[in-house]
Amino acid sequence: AQSVTQLGSHVSVSEGALVLLRCNYSSSVPPYLFWYVQYPNQGLQLLLKYTSAATLVKGINGFEAEFKKSETSFHLTKPSAHMSDAAEYFCAVSGNTGKLIFGQGTTLQVKP
Amino acid sequence: GAGVSQSPSNKVTEKGKDVELRCDPISGHTALYWYRQSLGQGLEFLIYFQGNSAPDKSGLPSDRFSAERTGGSVSTLTIQRTQQEDSAVYLCASSPRDVRNTGELFFGEGSRLTVL
Repeated sequence: AQSVTQLGSHVSVSEGALVLLRCNYSSSVPPYLFWYVQYPNQGLQLLLKYTSAATLVKGINGFEAEFKKSETSFHLTKPSAHMSDAAEYFCAVSGNTGKLIFGQGTTLQVKP
Repeated sequence: GAGVSQSPSNKVTEKGKDVELRCDPISGHTALYWYRQSLGQGLEFLIYFQGNSAPDKSGLPSDRFSAERTGGSVSTLTIQRTQQEDSAVYLCASSPRDVRNTGELFFGEGSRLTVL
């Protein structure tokens, strides 16, 4: 079975500061890991994915995430936050089927 | 249409009534998912259909919930004897291939259910 825990339901950063959104997973098989973003009043869109190739994954809008098996983590980072990054971010995991389990989401607030 | 279509977009019902929510996935997409999104609860997995395989129903919260997918296309989520805690946005998503390889889920705009 797979599960995802996102640490921190709300994260607030200043514009230009580092963004770090935490995700830990549990999986009985090698996981496939994803980050999605949901902007206000919009649907979810894929930010990036880890599918057992490179452990450091780069996505859209300057975001990246690193798969760390020893820590069962897949944290999302961005060196410098923009106001437009304010949104809700979801980590998700899939295992040996196509079933996709999402975390509870982290709302990112960016202060000017 | 080009995207995932869900209907109704809004449904207000009385406690104890049955409701049906419909999802039209993108043509040719073999995978179809239902999720429930409540404030502070993230996206709760409900059910997953992949091609002709038996659906993964492990996320359905009670036997009041059921879903079917006819002809590998349209899906209907049925909630019997609705309760106030069923109030949420029900999201449908489809994928053209195994999501593990692409991560690409195409979401509908959701059906907002309010149980009075």
